[in-house]
Amino acid sequence: AQTVTQSQPEMSVQEAETVTLSCTYDTSENNYYLFWYKQPPSRQMILVIRQEAYKQQNATENRFSVNFQKAAKSFSLKISDSQLGDTAMYFCAFMKPNTGNQFYFGTGTSLTVIP
Amino acid sequence: GAGVSQSPRYKVAKRGQDVALRCDPISGHVSLFWYQQALGQGPEFLTYFQNEAQLDKSGLPSDRFFAERPEGSVSTLKIQRTQQEDSAVYLCASSLGGSFLVMYFGPGTRLTVL
Repeated sequence: AQTVTQSQPEMSVQEAETVTLSCTYDTSENNYYLFWYKQPPSRQMILVIRQEAYKQQNATENRFSVNFQKAAKSFSLKISDSQLGDTAMYFCAFMKPNTGNQFYFGTGTSLTVIP
Repeated sequence: GAGVSQSPRYKVAKRGQDVALRCDPISGHVSLFWYQQALGQGPEFLTYFQNEAQLDKSGLPSDRFFAERPEGSVSTLKIQRTQQEDSAVYLCASSLGGSFLVMYFGPGTRLTVL
């Protein structure tokens, strides 16, 4: 079975600063996908960024980027120029394709951006 | 619609009652998923549909849980004889399926069993 670990239950960052959220996972698979989802207080989860395991280049989406270390099974999310709207729960997720696309989520990191 | 919708948003049930939770996926989305999110936890997989076919129900915690998607669009998650441990937020998600892997989540239904 796949497991996803987020070791930081809560984090805070000053507005406009940079913060990094950690995620590690355990799998014996070689082909898989990793995701970061954001869940604001309204509870609708939104995709932030995704990474294909076969790609060595780290994914970026505007202020969001990842540091994907396949050998270490690490997938951290960096948020640059933090904004108040970034306050939310952030979930790291693992997916192995062709198995019903089932996602395995971590327990989440609650991020607070301080004005 | 513009996104995945779920109803009701909140449901309070007495222990032993049956409940039905509805999910309206994004139009045209082939894949539909149900997740259970306990307080302070990440979502946990319950079941998966591809069109009307339920391809994976390995995450359903007991035979009191039943899901259907008879016409390949709207889905209903039914919980019979609810127990207190069933209290959670139930999330529905849909995706185009195939190689398009992005899931779009609904706002969830918060179920409280008294």
